[in-house]
Amino acid sequence: SQTIHQWPATLVQPVGSPLSLECTVEGTSNPNLYWYRQAAGRGLQLLFYSVGIGQISSEVPQNLSASRPQDRQFILSSKKLLLSDSGFYLCAWGEYEQYFGPGTRLTVT
Amino acid sequence: KQEVTQIPAALSVPEGENLVLNCSFTDSAIYNLQWFRQDPGKGLTSLLLIQSSQREQTSGRLNASLDKSSGRSTLYIAASQPGDSATYLCAADSSNDYKLSFGAGTTVTVRA
Repeated sequence: SQTIHQWPATLVQPVGSPLSLECTVEGTSNPNLYWYRQAAGRGLQLLFYSVGIGQISSEVPQNLSASRPQDRQFILSSKKLLLSDSGFYLCAWGEYEQYFGPGTRLTVT
Repeated sequence: KQEVTQIPAALSVPEGENLVLNCSFTDSAIYNLQWFRQDPGKGLTSLLLIQSSQREQTSGRLNASLDKSSGRSTLYIAASQPGDSATYLCAADSSNDYKLSFGAGTTVTVRA
């Protein structure tokens, strides 16, 4: 069966610091991968998606970036965090039906 | 751009009552609609997927319907239990490119 992992589970970072969130999927090959952000009281917003290694599409202009160095690994990064980057970050895989990881709670202080 | 709305934002019912959760979308040309459950501080769990050629899907006590012409989907949960307390999210894929547009969710509390 397929499993999706995210780490860390929680993170508190100061403004201006770098960020690296990791997502890995087990039990499937060449999955479509997605990064979403969920702000308090709002729906999920698609940030990035990837259909293969090195193939990244950005949905929302921001100071975040994504990379896919391996088939089942998806990384969300920032060089300098802003207060507005706080939120719950979710990784997902799938096509018609999407499956989500446990999420990372990021607080920028 | 697809806009997805879920009303009400919160709902409280006594145990045993049937739940009816609403999801509306602005672009009727959707390909798939997916319902999710989210527990506090957790990721999303997929409940039901309705593809564009389908009108409904059922899983146990859950039934979801899709009416593209009216821009609506409804999730029914029969005989609610306290364990059904969670936030329920719907999401629509409008371009067959697997990019989901999410509603803000309905938070359900089932009182014992």
